[in-house]
Amino acid sequence: QKEVEQDPGPLSVPEGAIVSLNCTYSNSAFQYFMWYRQYSRKGPELLMYTYSSGNKEDGRFTAQVDKSSKYISLFIRDSQPSDSATYLCALKGGNDMRFGAGTRLTVKP
Amino acid sequence: NAGVMQNPRHLVRRRGQEARLRCSPMKGHSHVYWYRQLPEEGLKFMVYLQKENIIDESGMPKERFSAEFPKEGPSILRIQQVVRGDSAAYFCASSPTRGGGAFHEQFFGPGTRLTVL
Repeated sequence: QKEVEQDPGPLSVPEGAIVSLNCTYSNSAFQYFMWYRQYSRKGPELLMYTYSSGNKEDGRFTAQVDKSSKYISLFIRDSQPSDSATYLCALKGGNDMRFGAGTRLTVKP
Repeated sequence: NAGVMQNPRHLVRRRGQEARLRCSPMKGHSHVYWYRQLPEEGLKFMVYLQKENIIDESGMPKERFSAEFPKEGPSILRIQQVVRGDSAAYFCASSPTRGGGAFHEQFFGPGTRLTVL
């Protein structure tokens, strides 16, 4: 079993849809939960991070962490074509950082 | 403030040759991380360095791969005697301080795409 599981997609939605991206993990030592966005041929950039369980909102983006279920989510409201990218979850505990495989999202106009 | 710089952006090598990938961290950052990305597999941690020190190389293959971050100049990831399986995108990230238990954002470079013929 991988430490971090993420469905690679691809996921295609119409503009304006609500997008739900998810990761599950197995190591309870992870304390920080991050979402990165990676455009084609670019390096990942940090979108949001959360510490411990709960929700965090930033504009159209909401990150959700459920440590009891070892499950994290990223919701994108009113999705735009510019949101088309690969989204990677990342989890950190101590010096260890682990990434999910990334979900490729396409938002169609 | 320039971001993390990596060069070359694309590198083509024949089997058996050496590949050298360079990474200049953001100004003021003294911690560098190298990752490898294969299609559909996400980012795999390789090594974490501070100036003149390797802090964590648990993700580095035991043979042919080495990394350094000298007092002056960029960090170098060196792959000797490359094989086709080394073809991947290699990303460098930097952060201002040590990882440890706190959160410090890692800023990623644009990557070097290595193709081994």
